[in-house]
Amino acid sequence: EAQVTQNPRYLITVTGKKLTVTCSQNMNHEYMSWYRQDPGLGLRQIYYSMNVEVTDKGDVPEGYKVSRKEKRNFPLILESPSPNQTSLYFCASSFGVVYEQYFGPGTRLTVT
Amino acid sequence: SQQGEEDPQALSIQEGENATMNCSYKTSINNLQWYRQNSGRGLVHLILIRSNEREKHSGRLRVTLDTSKKSSSLLITASRAADTASYFCATDAERGGNKLTFGTGTQLKVEL
Repeated sequence: EAQVTQNPRYLITVTGKKLTVTCSQNMNHEYMSWYRQDPGLGLRQIYYSMNVEVTDKGDVPEGYKVSRKEKRNFPLILESPSPNQTSLYFCASSFGVVYEQYFGPGTRLTVT
Repeated sequence: SQQGEEDPQALSIQEGENATMNCSYKTSINNLQWYRQNSGRGLVHLILIRSNEREKHSGRLRVTLDTSKKSSSLLITASRAADTASYFCATDAERGGNKLTFGTGTQLKVEL
């Protein structure tokens, strides 16, 4: 089954404790991206990747890192999480920005 | 700044009625997409319309695009309770590189 998976689905952590949210897709997509969703603000793109070893900043990259060492995986790294990063995070993949995006189920992160 | 802004923010209608949502954006685009999100879940692609298209249909969905007004509308005909969800437009700007920008969404509630 074609899908985008994210782990964990829920995470409660404390300020400053490094964490990684994994994202994996099985559709051989080149384009992958991370979004955060906050009430009243819609989805905002954090980072995107056009292909292996090619990443670029979205609209809200501060406080986040990503890597794309393999085509199928695109982890999101928060090296020193802060409470303002409490949000619902989505990973998405596609053949390109001009194509249909396939979204993962979301990761709800709470930073206390 | 956000590329897409949906209007209205919330819409409540009776089953069987039509629902119209609008999306406005600020800069020239290559494509505009509409997505649906059921409460806190991943987004699902509905329809894509290219900048050189004016109208597109998919089942009960009709999307129009007016590039001179920088706006798009999504019409859902003969709505059903199962259409209750949030709807988002997403654009990739002509000079935006490979970023995809989502609007703030319209919450649609279809009542029996």
